[in-house]
Amino acid sequence: GAVVSQHPSWVICKSGTSVKIECRSLDFQATTMFWYRQFPKQSLMLMATSNEGSKATYEQGVEKDKFLINHASLTLSTLTVTSAHPEDSSFYICSARLPEGSVYEQYFGPGTRLTVT
Amino acid sequence: GQNIDQPTEMTATEGAIVQINCTYQTSGFNGLFWYQQHAGEAPTFLSYNVLDGLEEKGRFSSFLSRSKGYSYLLLKELQMKDSASYLCAVGDSNYQLIWGAGTKLIIKP
Repeated sequence: GAVVSQHPSWVICKSGTSVKIECRSLDFQATTMFWYRQFPKQSLMLMATSNEGSKATYEQGVEKDKFLINHASLTLSTLTVTSAHPEDSSFYICSARLPEGSVYEQYFGPGTRLTVT
Repeated sequence: GQNIDQPTEMTATEGAIVQINCTYQTSGFNGLFWYQQHAGEAPTFLSYNVLDGLEEKGRFSSFLSRSKGYSYLLLKELQMKDSASYLCAVGDSNYQLIWGAGTKLIIKP
């Protein structure tokens, strides 16, 4: 099956610093990747849709200058949380969609837990 | 607006059967998904329904009624490892997944 990895699995950073999270599709090429955020006891919230070779599409209310997304290759998308604040502490999950484009074919990474102190 | 409703929490006994309901109102419909999410982990895919009816997969079954905007996930022969959150999600007209808040299922011995 399709496998998606994320790195790091967890990270602790100080307020004001930046953190980069990587999302990789290991055994398939993903033209589209999604970045989600999940706060404790809440559902997934889509932050942005990342398409290879083009700018990401951000959901309403998500600051594109704060959450920088780069999808430079068909197997890698990165999310950089800039000038992190404690309220950015959350579980960040990426998913990747197969090139065939069916919404059915979406696979999730294991998630990255970010704690900002 | 877009809305997906499912119960916040349910409790069931090991070995029993539990049904988790999901109702939805979305702009467009391209299928309904059920995912399982254990605490601290990413969701894993359970089922996908795009046509009305029941889809059975081992101990898990999922039902869809598009006219009623309704789905349920049925779990049989419950095991302790089934304790998790179960997320209902609908693919909208833009092929984005709209997520429910999830149902936390607690299994008791």
